[in-house]
Amino acid sequence: DVKVTQSSRYLVKRTGEKVFLECVQDMDHENMFWYRQDPGLGLRLIYFSYDVKMKEKGDIPEGYSVSREKKERFSLILESASTNQTSMYLCASRPGTRYSNQPQHFGDGTRLSIL
Amino acid sequence: DQQVKQNSPSLSVQEGRISILNCDYTNSMFDYFLWYKKYPAEGPTFLISISSIKDKNEDGRFTVFLNKSAKHLSLHIVPSQPGDSAVYFCAARNYTSGTYKYIFGTGTRLKVLA
Repeated sequence: DVKVTQSSRYLVKRTGEKVFLECVQDMDHENMFWYRQDPGLGLRLIYFSYDVKMKEKGDIPEGYSVSREKKERFSLILESASTNQTSMYLCASRPGTRYSNQPQHFGDGTRLSIL
Repeated sequence: DQQVKQNSPSLSVQEGRISILNCDYTNSMFDYFLWYKKYPAEGPTFLISISSIKDKNEDGRFTVFLNKSAKHLSLHIVPSQPGDSAVYFCAARNYTSGTYKYIFGTGTRLKVLA
């Protein structure tokens, strides 16, 4: 079974802090994704990475950056946290494009509150 | 601009009856569609998918129908069970920047009444 692990289930930070959300997968997947889930808005893609050290902006990258130094780990960074970044953050992974019909596998999410 | 829409935020169905969840999309370049199920405090889990070259895919109690001309897909659950109560997301896929990108709908909360 694929395991996607997000380091924290709940996190409370202050406005202006630099925040790191970590995600690790154990299936040697090439593609990794960060989403945020908000009521009435569904899942929105922040950033994704199709290989180590590669990253692409998703639909809402503003205020975020990412790091993928190792294949199994994909980090989301809030450079200077703001209250509108309070949300549920979900990490996902999937095999590379040669496995075209394999779905994404999600972690259990990190509920982040910015005070 | 919401490319994938789930217009019903919630749905209640009696146990044993059919649940029908709907999803509309606007981008004709989507080549693959998926349904995910999400329980509270857990991540979404993959349920069923369908390629754009098919119009139906069935897996046990779950069937997904695709109507390409209408840009519409639906998920049928028969018979519905209380354990099916969850939020259901549809997702559509297109190929961009060397990989697959997934666009999700806003979700439909299904409640199956015992």
